[in-house]
Amino acid sequence: NAGVTQTPKFQVLKTGQSMTLQCAQDMNHNSMYWYRQDPGMGLRLIYYSASEGTTDKGEVPNGYNVSRLNKREFSLRLESAAPSQTSVYFCASTYLGQGRYNEQFFGPGTRLTVL
Amino acid sequence: GESVGLHLPTLSVQEGDNSIINCAYSNSASDYFIWYKQESGKGPQFIIDIRSNMDKRQGQRVTVLLNKTVKHLSLQIAATQPGDSAVYFCAEKHSGANSKLTFGKGITLSVRP
Repeated sequence: NAGVTQTPKFQVLKTGQSMTLQCAQDMNHNSMYWYRQDPGMGLRLIYYSASEGTTDKGEVPNGYNVSRLNKREFSLRLESAAPSQTSVYFCASTYLGQGRYNEQFFGPGTRLTVL
Repeated sequence: GESVGLHLPTLSVQEGDNSIINCAYSNSASDYFIWYKQESGKGPQFIIDIRSNMDKRQGQRVTVLLNKTVKHLSLQIAATQPGDSAVYFCAEKHSGANSKLTFGKGITLSVRP
């Protein structure tokens, strides 16, 4: 199992450009999350999808959109990138239901720089 | 607003010593408290969690202590090893299927050889 995979690993954008960050998991998890991590900060939730077909805003959703394409895939889109969106983005997944739903599994991250 | 935070930004320990990483929280309604470890260049990794009705839980070489009176959470690592060098985050959540995690800012543990 690959776990949670993210593409790309690195990206540089100019202000105003758009891009989509891809995330996929092969653990049959029903819930998926997008976080951003800035220096000296913890992880902040951008959007999440509790189950296929649903998405909800997290703590810092402005400037982002998401799509839960299917059970495996959850993408994050920046329509018009801004320097304030320079960050490391992490995707995570978990199984909500019986068992250890405190344990979110994280991808390796995408390091995004907006010039 | 509610927040989860850490007392110290960095902690340096000698290899073989025990490490204690502390965290203060402010949301009394949280049902679970969780510790994550993040190695350089990687995503966070779950270490251990504790439910709010417990005050201690042990894992492999790690122990989490919860003091609800003073809203304090700690992670103890026994016989610290170089591989324990990482950033550690505490997080909290309410029970419920859609409950989200709130992360603290993180503390760096550096293990001296």
